[in-house]
Amino acid sequence: GAGVSQSPSNKVTEKGKDVELRCDPISGHTALYWYRQSLGQGLEFLIYFQGNSAPDKSGLPSDRFSAERTGGSVSTLTIQRTQQEDSAVYLCASSLARVSGNTIYFGEGSWLTVV
Amino acid sequence: KQEVTQIPAALSVPEGENLVLNCSFTDSAIYNLQWFRQDPGKGLTSLLLIQSSQREQTSGRLNASLDKSSGRSTLYIAASQPGDSATYLCAVMTAGNKLTFGGGTRVLVKP
Repeated sequence: GAGVSQSPSNKVTEKGKDVELRCDPISGHTALYWYRQSLGQGLEFLIYFQGNSAPDKSGLPSDRFSAERTGGSVSTLTIQRTQQEDSAVYLCASSLARVSGNTIYFGEGSWLTVV
Repeated sequence: KQEVTQIPAALSVPEGENLVLNCSFTDSAIYNLQWFRQDPGKGLTSLLLIQSSQREQTSGRLNASLDKSSGRSTLYIAASQPGDSATYLCAVMTAGNKLTFGGGTRVLVKP
């Protein structure tokens, strides 16, 4: 499809395990965002990429969280030694350019449950 | 630090009534404001984007206004339908391409 694609759509993992979440942005979109939405909570900004670089990592909640983007396209969000409070929906979004005025398109999210 | 607030948190109306959703933000130095819709278990769908230089945008039954100086935006949905039931989120874009979201308004349109 032509939209933002995220995988896995659902993931159940044991506490302490590492997880990787993948995002395929819309082709040609240089800006890519990761957000987290916990149950009943608002959207929490995690990280923003422009191309392969991440000028704003301020939202990553701890050093257990990391993200990378390669080839200006696919991005991976990695959570090490998962904790129960990491359970949430992780949403990826992309847009055309860093210049304001471009609509941001979201994926369906990766639902993470840590047991 | 930019803060975005949406009031009310939840809204229930009979079918056919007009919906009025409010969004306020604390820092008027924004590039744009976007309204999104989120259905249960789904991602976000962009509804309208208003540039900081604009005062309103319209799409079909949806109209969004922006008063940047007072830090307010309003989303109007005319002649509501049960299919409009969803959570509506507003978000403002600030320097560094940072998008800050409000907590959302859960809307229920009763047939």
